[in-house]
Amino acid sequence: KQEVTQIPAALSVPEGENLVLNCSFTDSAIYNLQWFRQDPGKGLTSLLLIQSSQREQTSGRLNASLDKSSGRSTLYIAASQPGDSATYLCAVRVTDKLIFGTGTRLQVFP
Amino acid sequence: DTGVSQNPRHKITKRGQNVTFRCDPISEHNRLYWYRQTLGQGPEFLTYFQNEAQLEKSRLLSDRFSAERPKGSFSTLEIQRTEQGDSAMYLCASRPPGLENEQFFGPGTRLTVL
Repeated sequence: KQEVTQIPAALSVPEGENLVLNCSFTDSAIYNLQWFRQDPGKGLTSLLLIQSSQREQTSGRLNASLDKSSGRSTLYIAASQPGDSATYLCAVRVTDKLIFGTGTRLQVFP
Repeated sequence: DTGVSQNPRHKITKRGQNVTFRCDPISEHNRLYWYRQTLGQGPEFLTYFQNEAQLEKSRLLSDRFSAERPKGSFSTLEIQRTEQGDSAMYLCASRPPGLENEQFFGPGTRLTVL
């Protein structure tokens, strides 16, 4: 059974810091991995999608890497801003559904 | 707006009542998914459709839950005889054909059962 774990569960940092959020999964048989952002009480916004054959994806200040063989992904956020405050979820696609981690709650203070 | 839409956005009901939620996927997306998210947890898969066919249901989907997608466009999720444990955010997502394409999520329907 696929299980997805995210560490840390919560993170509070001052503005400007570079951050690394971690995601691990138990079964390497995945189609892809997505990172999402979720603001309180809201739906999910897709940030980055990494196919199983890819090693990383970048979008602006965000960079996500994937090491399928070790069951790990990291989301790197450069020069964090207060507007980055949200919960970040990773999800792996297994068959035709997503299996989510429990998220990392990020707070960036001025 | 061409994104996934869900209605209502919020629903408050009393225990034992029936509720129905609607999801309108992005046009041309043949796959539609329902997930449930409780407070402090990640979303959990409930069921999904390819066109009008319901292809997979999670064990989380008890007999009180039923989902339909009658014409392969919008979908409804009905919960009968609601319980307090049904309180959650219900998320809908859609995906176009193609193995590598991502799922796009709607804003969710927040259900509170009193």
